[in-house]
Amino acid sequence: QKEVEQDPGPLSVPEGAIVSLNCTYSNSAFQYFMWYRQYSRKGPELLMYTYSSGNKEDGRFTAQVDKSSKYISLFIRDSQPSDSATYLCAMSAAGGTSYGKLTFGQGTILTVHP
Amino acid sequence: DTGVSQNPRHKITKRGQNVTFRCDPISEHNRLYWYRQTLGQGPEFLTYFQNEAQLEKSRLLSDRFSAERPKGSFSTLEIQRTEQGDSAMYLCASSTRTGSGGTEAFFGQGTRLTVV
Repeated sequence: QKEVEQDPGPLSVPEGAIVSLNCTYSNSAFQYFMWYRQYSRKGPELLMYTYSSGNKEDGRFTAQVDKSSKYISLFIRDSQPSDSATYLCAMSAAGGTSYGKLTFGQGTILTVHP
Repeated sequence: DTGVSQNPRHKITKRGQNVTFRCDPISEHNRLYWYRQTLGQGPEFLTYFQNEAQLEKSRLLSDRFSAERPKGSFSTLEIQRTEQGDSAMYLCASSTRTGSGGTEAFFGQGTRLTVV
């Protein structure tokens, strides 16, 4: 079983829809949680960074972390065709030699159609 | 451009040849990571440097792989005697410590390796 599980989709939504992307994880040492967006044949781009449980909002994006359930989410409001990409969740533990090492989910392919 | 820079962007090589990739991190970042990504998968950790010290290597990094970061600046990743299974996107990331004690890692555009 992988440490981080992410539904690969694909997910197709109409423009303007609210998108919900999710990951579950098994390693209770994970303390830092990130969402990356990756366009085809490009490197991942950091979207959201959160520490421990709680919510964080940035424009149309909201990241939620529930450590008790080992579950994280990314919500995209008013989705746009330009949001079409692969969304990767990533997480890391605190301290030790593994400090900063990211463990990624498989990625969810999102298409927003006009 | 002050982001992470990787060269070359694409590399096609014959099986058995050696290849070397270069990564130039964001200048004030002291941590540098290499990841490998295959089609339909998330990036997988390969190795990590803090300044010039290589602190951790994944079991994915076989003896044919070697990485260096001389003087804690740019880094190189060399693959010797390439195999078709080495075909992947090789990603470099750099980071610095955040106020909460974690790290925000920023990725380059990757080097896409095709072994024929």
